[in-house]
Amino acid sequence: GAGVSQSPRYKVAKRGQDVALRCDPISGHVSLFWYQQALGQGPEFLTYFQNEAQLDKSGLPSDRFFAERPEGSVSTLKIQRTQQEDSAVYLCASSLVGVSNEKLFFGSGTQLSVL
Amino acid sequence: GDSVTQMEGPVTLSEEAFLTINCTYTATGYPSLFWYVQYPGEGLQLLLKATKADDKGSNKGFEATYRKETTSFHLEKGSVQVSDSAVYFCALYMNRDDKIIFGKGTRLHILP
Repeated sequence: GAGVSQSPRYKVAKRGQDVALRCDPISGHVSLFWYQQALGQGPEFLTYFQNEAQLDKSGLPSDRFFAERPEGSVSTLKIQRTQQEDSAVYLCASSLVGVSNEKLFFGSGTQLSVL
Repeated sequence: GDSVTQMEGPVTLSEEAFLTINCTYTATGYPSLFWYVQYPGEGLQLLLKATKADDKGSNKGFEATYRKETTSFHLEKGSVQVSDSAVYFCALYMNRDDKIIFGKGTRLHILP
């Protein structure tokens, strides 16, 4: 497709379950970002990849959060032992080369609800 | 740390009214500034940007001017339409961090 694709669109998990969220960036985009957007808030940075290298993971809130991009294309954000405070929309964005070209393309997000 | 503060919503206006959404920033250095828009059910889209002081970004009738002296980047539109109803995010980018920091967003409702 032409845009950033995220799946699933909605995910409901019971507290304590593990979840995996997928992001398909725009083909050829080198950089990939994950953001967390809580209800009524702006997106908060989680982590950043350039190709397969995770260059910044300073925004991951705990060691229950893990992200990978093994072949430099599709990325997966995994949350282990989900907690209610993990409920949020998880946004993926990609750009051609870093943010220095200053244009991120966002997916529609995965809305995670932890019960 | 670097941050963005924008006016809280929701903002409700009638069609053809004048719009201002205030945004101020805190940064050590000279960031690039952006407005992103999120229409219902869609991902965030870049609306406009400015990369240095006194630059004016514009798109779809929206404008914002980078004011270094007041550390502001207020979004304006002279005559809003129902289709402008969305959530608007002010954001900044610092080259040293290579990531974008967003404000909390302002929801805009335009009534016909």
